[in-house]
Amino acid sequence: AQSVTQLGSHVSVSEGALVLLRCNYSSSVPPYLFWYVQYPNQGLQLLLKYTTGATLVKGINGFEAEFKKSETSFHLTKPSAHMSDAAEYFCAVSQFGNEKLTFGTGTRLTIIP
Amino acid sequence: DAGVTQSPTHLIKTRGQQVTLRCSPKSGHDTVSWYQQALGQGPQFIFQYYEEEERQRGNFPDRFSGHQFPNYSSELNVNALLLGDSALYLCASSSRFVAEGGNTIYFGEGSWLTVV
Repeated sequence: AQSVTQLGSHVSVSEGALVLLRCNYSSSVPPYLFWYVQYPNQGLQLLLKYTTGATLVKGINGFEAEFKKSETSFHLTKPSAHMSDAAEYFCAVSQFGNEKLTFGTGTRLTIIP
Repeated sequence: DAGVTQSPTHLIKTRGQQVTLRCSPKSGHDTVSWYQQALGQGPQFIFQYYEEEERQRGNFPDRFSGHQFPNYSSELNVNALLLGDSALYLCASSSRFVAEGGNTIYFGEGSWLTVV
């Protein structure tokens, strides 16, 4: 079985500061890893995904994440937070990329002006 | 190119009633999955359909059923509604014919179901 743990249900950062959202996963097979963003009253939008190959993955809106197998982590970062980044962020894992996604409980990101 | 479309966007039902939610996948996609997202929680996988058959199922009771049509669109049916079924129901589409790892799962805006 696969699982995802997102540390910190709420994270607040100042505008222009580094954003770091933490995700650890558990998987018995090589995982496919995803970060999705959800704005209020909307569906999920894919930020980035890791499948195979390069462990540093770049996504949309300046976000990136690094797959660290030894730490079973896939933390999401952005060098400089913008007000428009305020949203709920979900980390997810799947087995083959188009199989079912197992999501974490989410992290609500608040940007302080 | 239309993305994943869902209907209705909002609905209110009474306990014990039945509800049907609809989803049209993104153009070129043949696989549809349904997720339930309770308030303050991450989405939970309900089931996945392709070739008009249920292929995978999450930990949901038989009150939750689905259907996929020849045009790849899908319905989610929930019978005997409970208050706990109140949630955002998300439809996701993908393609089985994209090389492994290259596939991207797209989500619709969801259907908000309130059971009173």
